[in-house]
Amino acid sequence: GQNIDQPTEMTATEGAIVQINCTYQTSGFNGLFWYQQHAGEAPTFLSYNVLDGLEEKGRFSSFLSRSKGYSYLLLKELQMKDSASYLCAVDMNRDDKIIFGKGTRLHILP
Amino acid sequence: KAGVTQTPRYLIKTRGQQVTLSCSPISGHRSVSWYQQTPGQGLQFLFEYFSETQRNKGNFPGRFSGRQFSNSRSEMNVSTLELGDSALYLCASRPGRMDEQFFGPGTRLTVL
Repeated sequence: GQNIDQPTEMTATEGAIVQINCTYQTSGFNGLFWYQQHAGEAPTFLSYNVLDGLEEKGRFSSFLSRSKGYSYLLLKELQMKDSASYLCAVDMNRDDKIIFGKGTRLHILP
Repeated sequence: KAGVTQTPRYLIKTRGQQVTLSCSPISGHRSVSWYQQTPGQGLQFLFEYFSETQRNKGNFPGRFSGRQFSNSRSEMNVSTLELGDSALYLCASRPGRMDEQFFGPGTRLTVL
């Protein structure tokens, strides 16, 4: 079966750094997506990791370890607008599905 | 390029009714996926269509169905609505496999 785990909620302070972890156990794997979703809005794409390692994109970085079934999203220099849910999603290779975790709600405090 | 559009944005129905939701993907995108999002369960995959064929299906009852037209527009239908079907229904399109998905704004369905 498929299982994707990420913390339900996290809190961090404006200007700080936060790491949101995601572990997965799936029967097939192409790559891993991270999406951001503000309340009442549609998810928007942040990153897609296929190979092991860290990919940096501005204030956001995403890391993948395929052997460990583990990824994290790193957000630096946090801003109030980063308050949102962050969704980890596995791109399955066996049947081309994208399976989402339940999301991590990130609260940013001033 | 216009983004993914979904209609209607909001819908209120009563138990036992049926509903049809529509999704127009980004031009050139042949894959359309549908998701149900609820606070307790997160984003759950319903089905994916590619070139008018259902390519994948999630673990939802047969009351949930969909189709895709030759212009890649897609519809999903829910028959015999239940209270638990109240959710945000999101549609996402992408050009093909291993591509980023672009989400529409969603249809908020409330079943009374």
